[in-house]
Amino acid sequence: DGGITQSPKYLFRKEGQNVTLSCEQNLNHDAMYWYRQDPGQGLRLIYYSQIVNDFQKGDIAEGYSVSREKKESFPLTVTSAQKNPTAFYLCASSIVLYNEQFFGPGTRLTVL
Amino acid sequence: KNEVEQSPQNLTAQEGEFITINCSYSVGISALHWLQQHPGGGIVSLFMLSSGKKKHGRLIATINIQEKHSSLHITASHPRDSAVYICAVAGNQFYFGTGTSLTVIP
Repeated sequence: DGGITQSPKYLFRKEGQNVTLSCEQNLNHDAMYWYRQDPGQGLRLIYYSQIVNDFQKGDIAEGYSVSREKKESFPLTVTSAQKNPTAFYLCASSIVLYNEQFFGPGTRLTVL
Repeated sequence: KNEVEQSPQNLTAQEGEFITINCSYSVGISALHWLQQHPGGGIVSLFMLSSGKKKHGRLIATINIQEKHSSLHITASHPRDSAVYICAVAGNQFYFGTGTSLTVIP
């Protein structure tokens, strides 16, 4: 089955800790994206990658970091510099940049 | 200023009703997307369109490029259609609307 997976589904973190969210796709898509969703707000772009070994900041990249060492994988690290990290995080991929996106199930991060 | 505006924000309908959700945008685009987000949070892409009209089952999406407006129609609505519907446009980046929360009552 082709698709995009995220893990874990729920994640709890203490203030001051870095945490890495996983995103894997087996759709052979070149482009991958990370979004943050807060209640009552639209999706906001954190980072995106057009191709392996390349990524660009989105609208709200501060306090986050990513890597794209493999086509299939685009992990997101939420660092302690992110002041308000509690949110729902969604990963997506598309065959090329800004084409139809396929979304993962999301990770709900709560900072305690 | 939001580049993508959706209306209504919330919508409650009786089962069987015809539903319309509207999306207006202010930027130049290459395509417009309609997404569906269920209560669990997962998002599914419903349509990607750059002109005219597309139909998939009971769902119909239209776009008017000159007026920068798109509509999503649901015919013969059903409780399983209850979800948040999100309009997104692809210009030099993706811009997302805040979504329309639809509840269909049996």
